[in-house]
Amino acid sequence: NAGVTQTPKFQVLKTGQSMTLQCAQDMNHNSMYWYRQDPGMGLRLIYYSASEGTTDKGEVPNGYNVSRLNKREFSLRLESAAPSQTSVYFCASRAGLRAEAFFGQGTRLTVV
Amino acid sequence: GENVEQHPSTLSVQEGDSAVIKCTYSDSASNYFPWYKQELGKRPQLIIDIRSNVGEKKDQRIAVTLNKTAKHFSLHITETQPEDSAVYFCAASSLAGGADGLTFGKGTHLIIQP
Repeated sequence: NAGVTQTPKFQVLKTGQSMTLQCAQDMNHNSMYWYRQDPGMGLRLIYYSASEGTTDKGEVPNGYNVSRLNKREFSLRLESAAPSQTSVYFCASRAGLRAEAFFGQGTRLTVV
Repeated sequence: GENVEQHPSTLSVQEGDSAVIKCTYSDSASNYFPWYKQELGKRPQLIIDIRSNVGEKKDQRIAVTLNKTAKHFSLHITETQPEDSAVYFCAASSLAGGADGLTFGKGTHLIIQP
């Protein structure tokens, strides 16, 4: 039972480079989320997808795009990375609004 | 949207004592309140949750209380042990503005002193 799987675990980018963070879940969950975690800031929602084919902005969406490719996969893209996007990124999924959220292992991204 | 405030940001207690972490939320429509524990370098994991139709829930040494009128909820850990040292996050879930988000507090770093 893999749960939520994120790739890569670590990444270093130069300013202006692009990359896509991948996330997949095998729990048949409808809702998927991308969060970023910065020291002292908790987990802030970047984008979420309530169901296949829908995506919506969260608290800090600027500089990011997402794709809900199918029910299993939800990717996060940085088109032109900036140092302010240095962070730990977590993907999560859950079955519904009053259900437990399961997190991936995180991606530590450094933009230099 | 929802706003969740969490206090304190750091809490140091002696092993065996109790620890209490408090959170407030802004959206009266929020109806699900989970608590997550995150150990250093690991992913957040659920330790306990409470739904709005319940005032208190207990699981061994961990309990959560909810006051809907005052819009606050708290995590209580009794007989603390070294393995309780971690960062704890509260969260609130609602349909505010049509959003399907889970809004987190900024976290509490719990330190258990031997």
